[in-house]
Amino acid sequence: QVHLVESGGGVVQPGRSLRLSCAASGIMFSGYGMHWVRQAPGKGLEWVAVIWYDGSNKYYADSVKGRFTISRDNSKSTLYLEMNSLRVEDTAVYYCARDPTYGAIVRMTFDLWGQGTIVTVSS
Amino acid sequence: DIQMTQSPSSLSASVRDRVTITCRASQNINIYLNWYQQKAGKAPKLLIYAASSLQSGVPSRFSGSGSGTDFTLTISSLQPEDFATYYCQQSYSTPTFGQGTRLEIK
Repeated sequence: QVHLVESGGGVVQPGRSLRLSCAASGIMFSGYGMHWVRQAPGKGLEWVAVIWYDGSNKYYADSVKGRFTISRDNSKSTLYLEMNSLRVEDTAVYYCARDPTYGAIVRMTFDLWGQGTIVTVSS
Repeated sequence: DIQMTQSPSSLSASVRDRVTITCRASQNINIYLNWYQQKAGKAPKLLIYAASSLQSGVPSRFSGSGSGTDFTLTISSLQPEDFATYYCQQSYSTPTFGQGTRLEIK
């Protein structure tokens, strides 16, 4: 079975840090680009970051640039999002999502999603 | 960033109705347009990619069309499980989503 399972969410104070993980199973994780997408409570979807299948390229939304870092460990089939200097407006469900093209440039499309992990930034 | 605008924001319809949702991009995005369905408390699901290609496993009552700046998602005969929120998303550049269209039972 194909699964993406996020973890690491929780309640954190503004200015603090948090690291999210996304464990993949049932897919050749090392061959796919991966994304983080978030959804604030009652709001729409916002793309956060992408990493190429081999980690060679990373891109970020302006809203998180300089504060968040996307990374991956292909030996563990795991994607990460290191979030620093968290703000109240970072409160959201964070989803990891797969880009559909194997072993090539990303298509900025999301064909497989995890169930999400909730991050709440509050004092 | 490319802005995506969906209409309507919400829609009431009945089972077996034909429904169309529109999405407009703030600039030409060719056919780099995807549609997702999201049910309450669940992750989004890819329905249509590249404006008109049906994702594997998605029922054929869903279809997409358009190119350039104007796109549509059509559900030919609504089923009870189709009541959800629908999002368009451009993949031409840094991804952006429409604000969503909530499809409700009349």
